[in-house]
Order: sequence, then C-alpha cells, then structure tokens
Amino acid sequence: DAGITQSPRHKVTETGTPVTLRCHQTENHRYMYWYRQDPGHGLRLIHYSYGVKDTDKGEVSDGYSVSRSKTEDFLLTLESATSSQTSVYFCAISESPGGVTGELFFGEGSRLTVL
Amino acid sequence: KQEVTQIPAALSVPEGENLVLNCSFTDSAIYNLQWFRQDPGKGLTSLLLIQSSQREQTSGRLNASLDKSSGRSTLYIAASQPGDSATYLCAVPMIKAAGNKLTFGGGTRVLVKP
Repeated sequence: DAGITQSPRHKVTETGTPVTLRCHQTENHRYMYWYRQDPGHGLRLIHYSYGVKDTDKGEVSDGYSVSRSKTEDFLLTLESATSSQTSVYFCAISESPGGVTGELFFGEGSRLTVL
Repeated sequence: KQEVTQIPAALSVPEGENLVLNCSFTDSAIYNLQWFRQDPGKGLTSLLLIQSSQREQTSGRLNASLDKSSGRSTLYIAASQPGDSATYLCAVPMIKAAGNKLTFGGGTRVLVKP
C-alpha cells in the first residue's frame, strides 16, 4: 500500500469553525490531490498540488484553501466550515499529473461532519 | 465535458460466477483508464491502469479491456468470491482537461453471495 496518512480520520465540528485536514505521504510523489466524495456526486477534485508551494484549484474549490510547504505534507483548510462541507475527504498522490501515465493512490479518507 | 458512466449501479451474483463491470466515457481523448476498488468506509485501491495504447491489462483474476473508439472499458473478475464484494470505480484523465482533472464514474456496488 502507498504510504499515505490522513488526519484526523473523523471530525465533528460546528458551523463557522475553521478545520484543517492533513495528508502525509512517504512516497516522495510530486503530485497531491484533495477530493471529496458525496452520495450522488461521486468523487470531485477540490485542489491539487504539483510541487512544494505550487497549488491550483479543482472543480469544487470554493470555501477551501490548501498549502504545501513540504513534499510530504498537503493541508486542506476550511476557513469557516458549513454544513454543505460535510463529506468524506480523500487525499491522493501520483508521480505524474492527474494520473496521466501513472497510477493514483488514495488515503483512507477523513470523515467530516459539520453541525 | 467528459462524462463517465458505470452501469449497473449495483450487482449481485452468486459465488463462483464471473463478474462483468462496465464503464463508458463520452470523450475518447484520454491518457488511460484506471479501475479502483472501494470497500465501505475505506479509501480507493488501485486495481488496474490501462494505457490508451493498450487494449487489455491483466492482474490475477482481473482483466480490463479498453476500446477508446467506442468509449468503453470492461472489468472482468473471474470466479468471484465473497471477498470481491465492494464498489468498483473507473476514472479517466483527459488529454484536453486543464487542472489535472480525473473524471470518475459513479461506481458499481458488487455483492457476491456465498
């Protein structure tokens, strides 16, 4: 299994509070991604990173920010959580962009509930 | 806009039967197609990656075919076992897409009955 650790694995928070999810990898892969998975919507890309301090938006980036100060860590921050951000968040990594030539590997997920 | 569809959404078979899972996509300008397995409450596990230049890829009891011209991929699982029960998803990275967008199908939930 790819060395990807997400933390926390479960979190319950209240509307309006900030939340940070962490993804840590030991594979030294250049590309890292944050997805959210919701019933009826499948997996959707929130943000991705193509190197240290290099990030870009995905298809559902509103309300989220990311940072990558080290190759191994990719942080997802909800500045002010809303109930619509209740979801399961997955971190993924790959050696090539968007899994173009290589595989995409996923973490175990972080289940976030916003009350 | 690329759309990826997996039909049926759910499938139940008796143990030992071969599984046939379908994935269709609307735009054939893809780099590759990847099949994943997801167990309840878990992340996605990569099963097979089939490049756009390939017609087929095999790993153990799993075989994936790709027909770009018709926009289809099929995942075959031979001699199914209860442990194969999971949701199977396919995903494609588009050549024309900006932003590293990998488009996922909605998945097929498989139940293999002992």
